[in-house]
Amino acid sequence: KAGVTQTPRYLIKTRGQQVTLSCSPISGHRSVSWYQQTPGQGLQFLFEYFSETQRNKGNFPGRFSGRQFSNSRSEMNVSTLELGDSALYLCASSSTSGDTGELFFGEGSRLTVL
Amino acid sequence: GQQVMQIPQYQHVQEGEDFTTYCNSSTTLSNIQWYKQRPGGHPVFLIQLVKSGEVKKQKRLTFQFGEAKKNSSLHITATQTTDVGTYFCAGPRGATNKLIFGTGTLLAVQP
Repeated sequence: KAGVTQTPRYLIKTRGQQVTLSCSPISGHRSVSWYQQTPGQGLQFLFEYFSETQRNKGNFPGRFSGRQFSNSRSEMNVSTLELGDSALYLCASSSTSGDTGELFFGEGSRLTVL
Repeated sequence: GQQVMQIPQYQHVQEGEDFTTYCNSSTTLSNIQWYKQRPGGHPVFLIQLVKSGEVKKQKRLTFQFGEAKKNSSLHITATQTTDVGTYFCAGPRGATNKLIFGTGTLLAVQP
């Protein structure tokens, strides 16, 4: 069974631009969560989608948004990029939503904002 | 901000020494999960603890969930260089149980 796939793996943007990151979960998994990882802040929860509905949202500004498609693939978008948005963005899928299932993480998308 | 704290933030040990990381939550948790992230890698699930006072072992790793379900620990016996990485605990938060990660403990093992 293929794991969680994230694209692109690396990208460089400049301040003010926007970026879209993609995540394909493990086949059959309907829950997709996104996390931002930085050296200073650790793993910060962004949002979770389950069956195309956003079930949870972290404490991030409205510049961060996401969606999930009918095939469970998910995208997250960051608009008006700031230097502080430089981070590793991790996507994780689970077969359930809530606290009952382990998360399977992708390799991440490393975003550098110049 | 973080509501799940881990100590220590960093630990450097000689190969063969033991290692323990502690996870403390400000609120009671229904369960706790542990993950390991190797340098340059992504978090990988290790285990989930559900019951108060539960203890689980995986070879040289021992996981414990506190009686009050507000703290947990991971103990590694006789560390090896393959144990290098950051260990995270994670617990559900809020009405819809989003999984919040602890601050992590970075383990360095010197051969």
